[in-house]
Amino acid sequence: EAGVTQFPSHSVIEKGQTVTLRCDPISGHDNLYWYRRVMGKEIKFLLHFVKESKQDESGMPNNRFLAERTGGTYSTLKVQPAELEDSGVYFCASSQTTMFADRNEAFFGQGTRLTVV
Amino acid sequence: AQTVTQSQPEMSVQEAETVTLSCTYDTSENNYYLFWYKQPPSRQMILVIRQEAYKQQNATENRFSVNFQKAAKSFSLKISDSQLGDTAMYFCAFMKHFPDSNYQLIWGAGTKLIIKP
Repeated sequence: EAGVTQFPSHSVIEKGQTVTLRCDPISGHDNLYWYRRVMGKEIKFLLHFVKESKQDESGMPNNRFLAERTGGTYSTLKVQPAELEDSGVYFCASSQTTMFADRNEAFFGQGTRLTVV
Repeated sequence: AQTVTQSQPEMSVQEAETVTLSCTYDTSENNYYLFWYKQPPSRQMILVIRQEAYKQQNATENRFSVNFQKAAKSFSLKISDSQLGDTAMYFCAFMKHFPDSNYQLIWGAGTKLIIKP
């Protein structure tokens, strides 16, 4: 079974440009989460989708960030325009259900390392 | 607000030794979950072990075990018979318990563990 995959693995862009990150969750996982780790700091929650709906977007830093999950499958996270402080690693995770059963867990992708110069 | 603290930015031990990674957290919640995640150089985050706060028994997964001290709000990870493949960033994470969790994890800053041959 394929895991959570993220594209690209690494992106270097100039300040002011636009970048779109993509996450393909595990097939059948309704829940999709975005996190990011700014260098030297803790990983922070960005938002949570249940299917195509945004369940919680309280962690989105500002309106330069736009996340979508059309059709409830893959998700994109667009940063427009990118700023220097957006540099970091963006993680995506998916889980089958939000009900916290004993063995439920979220599976993570490898992350996208974004560098804004 | 919940916080998670990992006081050891980096550790290194010889192969086959036992190593303990520390994690403390702060919360006013009574029911919650604690996790240790591992991010090897390949960068995919993997769940190592989890602990439900209402369970007194410490969780174990093969060579990985935790020392969960609820009153002290401490959640350390012990790796026995360490192997080269254990080299990774280790993150401690906290999650509140809901009937319908949104899986919003609160993360520590991470500990870089290096296993030397």
